[in-house]
Amino acid sequence: GQNIDQPTEMTATEGAIVQINCTYQTSGFNGLFWYQQHAGEAPTFLSYNVLDGLEEKGRFSSFLSRSKGYSYLLLKELQMKDSASYLCAVLLYNTDKLIFGTGTRLQVFP
Amino acid sequence: DAGVIQSPRHEVTEMGQEVTLRCKPISGHDYLFWYRQTMMRGLELLIYFNNNVPIDDSGMPEDRFSAKMPNASFSTLKIQPSEPRDSAVYFCASSFRQGIRSYNSPLHFGNGTRLTVT
Repeated sequence: GQNIDQPTEMTATEGAIVQINCTYQTSGFNGLFWYQQHAGEAPTFLSYNVLDGLEEKGRFSSFLSRSKGYSYLLLKELQMKDSASYLCAVLLYNTDKLIFGTGTRLQVFP
Repeated sequence: DAGVIQSPRHEVTEMGQEVTLRCKPISGHDYLFWYRQTMMRGLELLIYFNNNVPIDDSGMPEDRFSAKMPNASFSTLKIQPSEPRDSAVYFCASSFRQGIRSYNSPLHFGNGTRLTVT
C-alpha cells in the first residue's frame, strides 16, 4: 500500500517561519508535489521535487531526500493569507497516479 | 484560460437516487483525474483517463460508481444508487504531459462538487 504522513495541524505567528514535514512509503517514486488548499477551495500547485535538495520559490521552499522518504515545505515571512491546508503528494513510478497525504492544516495568528 | 469547470457546485440528494457530476478539463490537456475528498481520508484518487481512455479505476469504491469521458472536453462521474457515505467533495483535475513522461506538469483542479446524500 501507499503511505504518506503529515502532521494534522500546525500553528504559527505572522512573520515567522514554519516547516511542514512529509514522510512517504510508496511502491515506487517519481517525484513529490506540494499543494495549497484554502478552506472551501480547490488545491493549487506550489512546488515539485524529483531530485534530492532544496527548491526555492519566493517565500516557499521545498526539500526532498529520496533515501529517507522525506520532504518538507518551508514557509518564510508568514502572512495571514498562508492559513490553509498543505498537501503532500507522491507521483508513483511508471504511472501517472498522484497520491495525496491527508494534509496539514496551518493556522497563522497575528 | 477558463480552468477546469465542474458542475454542479453543490448537490443534495436522497439515498438511492442517481447522481451525475460533470467536468470540462482545460483545453489541450490530455489527462483527466477524478478525486474524492473527505476529512477522514483526504484526497483519494478514484479514476484517471489519458486521451479519453480510462487507465486506472482501481480507486473507484464499488460498482455503484462509474466514469466516462466521451470526448476530450467532457467527463462524467456517476453514482447509482447513492448512499450517505458517498457524501464528500468530488474534484476533477486535468494536466498536460509533454512527450512520453514529463512529470513536472502539475494538476489543475476544478472547484469541486460538494455532494450531500441524506
